[in-house]
Amino acid sequence: IAGITQAPTSQILAAGRRMTLRCTQDMRHNAMYWYRQDLGLGLRLIHYSNTAGTTGKGEVPDGYSVSRANTDDFPLTLASAVPSQTSVYFCASSAGPGLDYTFGSGTRLTVV
Amino acid sequence: DQQVKQNSPSLSVQEGRISILNCDYTNSMFDYFLWYKKYPAEGPTFLISISSIKDKNEDGRFTVFLNKSAKHLSLHIVPSQPGDSAVYFCAASSGTYKYIFGTGTRLKVLA
Repeated sequence: IAGITQAPTSQILAAGRRMTLRCTQDMRHNAMYWYRQDLGLGLRLIHYSNTAGTTGKGEVPDGYSVSRANTDDFPLTLASAVPSQTSVYFCASSAGPGLDYTFGSGTRLTVV
Repeated sequence: DQQVKQNSPSLSVQEGRISILNCDYTNSMFDYFLWYKKYPAEGPTFLISISSIKDKNEDGRFTVFLNKSAKHLSLHIVPSQPGDSAVYFCAASSGTYKYIFGTGTRLKVLA
């Protein structure tokens, strides 16, 4: 089934540890995104990539980094996790500007 | 500053009646708008879209209305069904790849 795969599904992480959230899509979409969902704040864009080899900062990029080595993969790295990064993280992709996103099923991350 | 606002955190509607979810935006450059539905423990799923060249788009039970002068859009669900109970997000873009999402409205359809 075409779509987006995120891993892990959930994780409990000690503060200060490094963590990479994985995201893979098989739709050959140009653009990919990382959002975090927090109660009362909706979905906020962390980082995005319009095409392989390029990345950009979203609304809340601090403490996160991304890379886009190829079309299919868009990993999100927390270099040194802090409790405020406890959230549900969604990866998404789209075929082009103005087009709708396809979302993954999310990663629930708890930083303790 | 929140560019896309959903001022009603929750809404309850009787089954069979109309559900109206509202969304306001502040950036006049926004010209593409989406609505997503999200069930617990799942990713958001695309519902319906509208571009600024239209003021209405319909897909089955779902209709989105856009009032550009008021910077307001709304999603109408008629008739509402218990399976429509979910969190609904509106999102806006200025024709770039990036969408800005609202904070969501939790809809509960009562049987």
